[in-house]
Amino acid sequence: GESVGLHLPTLSVQEGDNSIINCAYSNSASDYFIWYKQESGKGPQFIIDIRSNMDKRQGQRVTVLLNKTVKHLSLQIAATQPGDSAVYFCAEIPHSGNTPLVFGKGTRLSVIA
Amino acid sequence: GAVVSQHPSRVICKSGTSVKIECRSLDFQATTMFWYRQFPKKSLMLMATSNEGSKATYEQGVEKDKFLINHASLTLSTLTVTSAHPEDSSFYICSARAGLAGEGVAPDTQYFGPGTRLTVL
Repeated sequence: GESVGLHLPTLSVQEGDNSIINCAYSNSASDYFIWYKQESGKGPQFIIDIRSNMDKRQGQRVTVLLNKTVKHLSLQIAATQPGDSAVYFCAEIPHSGNTPLVFGKGTRLSVIA
Repeated sequence: GAVVSQHPSRVICKSGTSVKIECRSLDFQATTMFWYRQFPKKSLMLMATSNEGSKATYEQGVEKDKFLINHASLTLSTLTVTSAHPEDSSFYICSARAGLAGEGVAPDTQYFGPGTRLTVL
């Protein structure tokens, strides 16, 4: 079936280095993608989003890249800090309108001080 | 900004009792709210979609008589776990999607509450 998945379940990064978290999606009709950060015991926190008519979007220390040709999404975190340690989920909206997000499995990012 | 609150944050109850969880969008009107369940080290599992003024749409395998959802207004949705059992113990998270764009609010984005930890003894 249609799904959103992640290449790496865990990622360990040295403090100060850049982090790259990857996500593959299978529904070519999806037109909206979001990255969420979830800390232990808390709800997901919106990080950044991107629409299918874009291939790159930058925020504060974060960049999302979208490659529609290979249906791949990535989140880049610059100068990773200990506070970035969390589980990161990519999510897609398969169709425009009132449909819910489809979540990937999540990648745990551990920042080594 | 888009803030979603949940109450309570933690609840412990005896088996057989019912528990109500509230989800509120604090600074925007949410035409649609969603309820998720999350097990440890797992992703979020959608339980139901709730539109203001209409019946909730439940995902396959989710018992509508077990998990009662009421979307009474554009800022409030409630989830009631009826006759709770230990296997209902989980982390329940709601999200809200704004109908219109606003300051710090994107219309298609789901904003999540902090979650409610339910433990059924």
